[in-house]
Amino acid sequence: GAGVSQSPRYKVAKRGQDVALRCDPISGHVSLFWYQQALGQGPEFLTYFQNEAQLDKSGLPSDRFFAERPEGSVSTLKIQRTQQEDSAVYLCASSLTGGAIDEQFFGPGTRLTVL
Amino acid sequence: AQSVTQPDIHITVSEGASLELRCNYSYGATPYLFWYVQSPGQGLQLLLKYFSGDTLVQGIKGFEAEFKRSQSSFNLRKPSVHWSDAAEYFCAVGVWSGTYKYIFGTGTRLKVLA
Repeated sequence: GAGVSQSPRYKVAKRGQDVALRCDPISGHVSLFWYQQALGQGPEFLTYFQNEAQLDKSGLPSDRFFAERPEGSVSTLKIQRTQQEDSAVYLCASSLTGGAIDEQFFGPGTRLTVL
Repeated sequence: AQSVTQPDIHITVSEGASLELRCNYSYGATPYLFWYVQSPGQGLQLLLKYFSGDTLVQGIKGFEAEFKRSQSSFNLRKPSVHWSDAAEYFCAVGVWSGTYKYIFGTGTRLKVLA
């Protein structure tokens, strides 16, 4: 089937606005990851889900960031009261089980620009 | 602390020339190592991975990488570069800290001259 999809592909927000970024993982993939990629940097881990359970949120930069995956499939990353430093590409990845040997398949990302 | 270093931010090679992209990692346990490529507007695509066994790993698109434990390195190589190889390349190490996650380097942007 299709790969990982993300929407919107581009989002412009005014500082202080809330945004919601969507990730559709590969069907049947148990694990889902969110990464933040700032300009000129590599992706940085934000959070990890196994099915609907958020097992690791150690990378979320502040309590303005919130992620959910209520039915163990689609995930949403929400950023409240956006700040300019939130401008980045947000990448979603999924893997079959989330184990060490599983390949993570990445979506194209959502480029967020906060003005 | 775990980290990945890619010392070359930009590399320019002529089409047909050989390529080596450097990657050094810092991780106390046995590393799981990856190379990904990112083309503009595209997601990251896995080129190859190393878990154990043979230290020379073959990947897609004619790429290979060699794991050298003594040097904490996992350099990516290709004998003859094609113009379509122009992209950004990321090295990553898989680490375990309660859950399994990747730590990426800052990337190397490859430019290919015709």
